[in-house]
Amino acid sequence: DTGVSQDPRHKITKRGQNVTFRCDPISEHNRLYWYRQTLGQGPEFLTYFQNEAQLEKSRLLSDRFSAERPKGSFSTLEIQRTEQGDSAMYLCASSPPNSGTEAFFGQGTRLTVV
Amino acid sequence: QKEVEQDPGPLSVPEGAIVSLNCTYSNSAFQYFMWYRQYSRKGPELLMYTYSSGNKVDGRFTAQVDKSSKYISLFIRDSQPSDSATYLCASGSGGYQKVTFGTGTKLQVIP
Repeated sequence: DTGVSQDPRHKITKRGQNVTFRCDPISEHNRLYWYRQTLGQGPEFLTYFQNEAQLEKSRLLSDRFSAERPKGSFSTLEIQRTEQGDSAMYLCASSPPNSGTEAFFGQGTRLTVV
Repeated sequence: QKEVEQDPGPLSVPEGAIVSLNCTYSNSAFQYFMWYRQYSRKGPELLMYTYSSGNKVDGRFTAQVDKSSKYISLFIRDSQPSDSATYLCASGSGGYQKVTFGTGTKLQVIP
């Protein structure tokens, strides 16, 4: 499978715990995006990387959220001190070079905070 | 007002019907328009992508954009039960990080 890969697919955690999600983009895609999607809503932009540089962050990305893409390949999204309101689907997408207006999504990580 | 508005549905149609899904947008700067299909508990899958006003056809799917009225449509011809999903419209200008999604319309095609 050469699509965007996300791990884990599902995560249940207790409130206050930290969680980390991983995204492996399509090979040679240099742009990577994280989104959050809640039930009945479209994806909401969280942050964007071009290669290893984090170029943009949404105001939705509170201080408890951090994302990295250390070698310009895979990316991680960490949520510290999780809250029930963090329960959502976290989606990763990637774009190839010279096509920054088209992106391909992974299957998402569904987070449930109990 | 959201920049991209979409009726959430649900929309139920019999198999074989022509489906019309619609969005409106408010940002005149939007330059490109997309439709995604999202099955339950899966990531969105890009269906159609267009820059300009007019129609774009891909198999049973036709995307229509009217920039003068800021109206985006997706038509599905000869709908199938496998088309049952949520359809998201999206619009943007500049880089993909500027894309705004609608809330999605849930479609059910009944055999």
